[in-house]
Amino acid sequence: GAGVSQSPSNKVTEKGKDVELRCDPISGHTALYWYRQSLGQGLEFLIYFQGNSAPDKSGLPSDRFSAERTGGSVSTLTIQRTQQEDSAVYLCASSLHEGLGGTSGGTDTQYFGPGTRLTVL
Amino acid sequence: KNEVEQSPQNLTAQEGEFITINCSYSVGISALHWLQQHPGGGIVSLFMLSSGKKKHGRLIATINIQEKHSSLHITASHPRDSAVYICAVSARRGGATNKLIFGTGTLLAVQP
Repeated sequence: GAGVSQSPSNKVTEKGKDVELRCDPISGHTALYWYRQSLGQGLEFLIYFQGNSAPDKSGLPSDRFSAERTGGSVSTLTIQRTQQEDSAVYLCASSLHEGLGGTSGGTDTQYFGPGTRLTVL
Repeated sequence: KNEVEQSPQNLTAQEGEFITINCSYSVGISALHWLQQHPGGGIVSLFMLSSGKKKHGRLIATINIQEKHSSLHITASHPRDSAVYICAVSARRGGATNKLIFGTGTLLAVQP
């Protein structure tokens, strides 16, 4: 079956331009996460979606970052007025559901996409 | 101090050796994850555990909730095990997300 896909795989942009990154989660997965992996910071959480709503946006580094999810499926992460420090690999992950039930106490395995490597010149 | 600490940061082993990577955390968790990332590759979930021990092939993961510590063991290591191994926790916060908090990773190189 298809895993999590992300596009583009690579994006080079000029400082000040806006970029959109796309994530297609595994079909049927209701939880979707965006993470960022940069050389200086390692992996860090950005935003979480349950269905189309985003109950946790605590990791977004500034108001230049926003994300949406439509139809409980595809998500886009938008970075406005990109800066050089935005250069990183942006990873998307999805899981079946997130909630306080089940044998795992509500925690499900997260399946990661291949990432989008963003380079801001 | 990071909420998730891993050791060692770098590890070089000879093929066939038994390998242990350690992870300590300071927050209450609902689960601990071990992830693998090959150079230039994506991230793969190896284990998710909240108690005890899990085994998959040559990989074994253990967790001690009281001590807030987990270990990842690789038996009979092989060069193809060379990768970054990342410990991550799903922090237990009432009603909040199971977002992952990551350790800094352990870069493992297994030499033939």
